[in-house]
Amino acid sequence: DAGITQSPRHKVTETGTPVTLRCHQTENHRYMYWYRQDPGHGLRLIHYSYGVKDTDKGEVSDGYSVSRSKTEDFLLTLESATSSQTSVYFCAISERQFDEQYFGPGTRLTVT
Amino acid sequence: QKEVEQNSGPLSVPEGAIASLNCTYSDRGSQSFFWYRQYSGKSPELIMFIYSNGDKEDGRFTAQLNKASQYVSLLIRDSQPSDSATYLCAPTGGGNKLTFGTGTQLKVEL
Repeated sequence: DAGITQSPRHKVTETGTPVTLRCHQTENHRYMYWYRQDPGHGLRLIHYSYGVKDTDKGEVSDGYSVSRSKTEDFLLTLESATSSQTSVYFCAISERQFDEQYFGPGTRLTVT
Repeated sequence: QKEVEQNSGPLSVPEGAIASLNCTYSDRGSQSFFWYRQYSGKSPELIMFIYSNGDKEDGRFTAQLNKASQYVSLLIRDSQPSDSATYLCAPTGGGNKLTFGTGTQLKVEL
């Protein structure tokens, strides 16, 4: 893996609770991304960041927020988790726009 | 029409054969094309990228791109059981985004 860690790796939570997932990189890459992966849908972009405090929405951003206060950390928050947010979440990084992206190990989130 | 279409498979090939994985995309503005391999329960791993029409070879892998036909393919020569995985096609789309296909599951049989 390209110096990317995600925490936690597994989490079970109840509907309505807030959840924060963390992505940490040691590559000093400018771009960071959050995806979710579900059967039949493939990887879908939630939010991405193109610099510290610079973020933008992806195709499935409803119910999610992000923050990036340092180059190395990108946080994904589910303000009030729902069962439809049960998924595997991947963080990715890239050095430049339109560059290849490298993925973290993933977080499996279950909302009961 | 989906932005990126791949046959979900499974595509079964015997060990030593050539596996051919295909992908079509709808965004004519796509400039870069990536192939990722994903083993079950693991994260996607980049194996090839291609920017120009034609073929690009890297070891046992060859990526082929035809922008006029909006078609990109991945050939795996001398397929091995360790190649059994799901292969994701990802062209760049609008802005700084990759759009992923749902992947083709490849099974290499002994």
